[in-house]
Amino acid sequence: KNEVEQSPQNLTAQEGEFITINCSYSVGISALHWLQQHPGGGIVSLFMLSSGKKKHGRLIATINIQEKHSSLHITASHPRDSAVYICAGSYNTDKLIFGTGTRLQVFP
Amino acid sequence: DTAVSQTPKYLVTQMGNDKSIKCEQNLGHDTMYWYKQDSKKFLKIMFSYNNKELIINETVPNRFSPKSPDKAHLNLHINSLELGDSAVYFCASSPGTSGTRPHYEQYFGPGTRLTVT
Repeated sequence: KNEVEQSPQNLTAQEGEFITINCSYSVGISALHWLQQHPGGGIVSLFMLSSGKKKHGRLIATINIQEKHSSLHITASHPRDSAVYICAGSYNTDKLIFGTGTRLQVFP
Repeated sequence: DTAVSQTPKYLVTQMGNDKSIKCEQNLGHDTMYWYKQDSKKFLKIMFSYNNKELIINETVPNRFSPKSPDKAHLNLHINSLELGDSAVYFCASSPGTSGTRPHYEQYFGPGTRLTVT
């Protein structure tokens, strides 16, 4: 079992739909990162959270420490949101353990 | 005003050659990283340096040698390149490490696509 697991692997949506990507992680991981990798290959950090909820524009990230689960939500999805979304956990160090990524395609 | 830059962007070379990838960050960060993204797009950490000191060294063949001349630069030198080294290599940086606040967002470079033929 991987230390960080994501679902689904692939996701397609129509423009405007509400999207949820899930991430489960192992005991001991104390912070969860959400990253976005665009088709061009660049990686951008979206959120880092160790408790509660964070919001940035149409993106919302939540974490449930007891259940060792985090979700990334995209409201009013748009074709420009099409990318690979990656969750990564870190223990009490900077070392990131990555999930396998969720490929999202949003169609107009 | 690129925050984390890498050169070259693309590198095509033959098996057995030695090559280097350079990384520079102008964010004033203390910690820098090298990650490898394989053909299945899976990311894995290779090395991490904090203020020029090696702090993470994953199970990486010793053909890979990182070098940090100062805290703004972390270069990756690869000897005797093999076909399996073909991947995208990402450099990243973050403000700090360990201590009372071990967790920081990381800022990634654009990646270097290495192809070994």
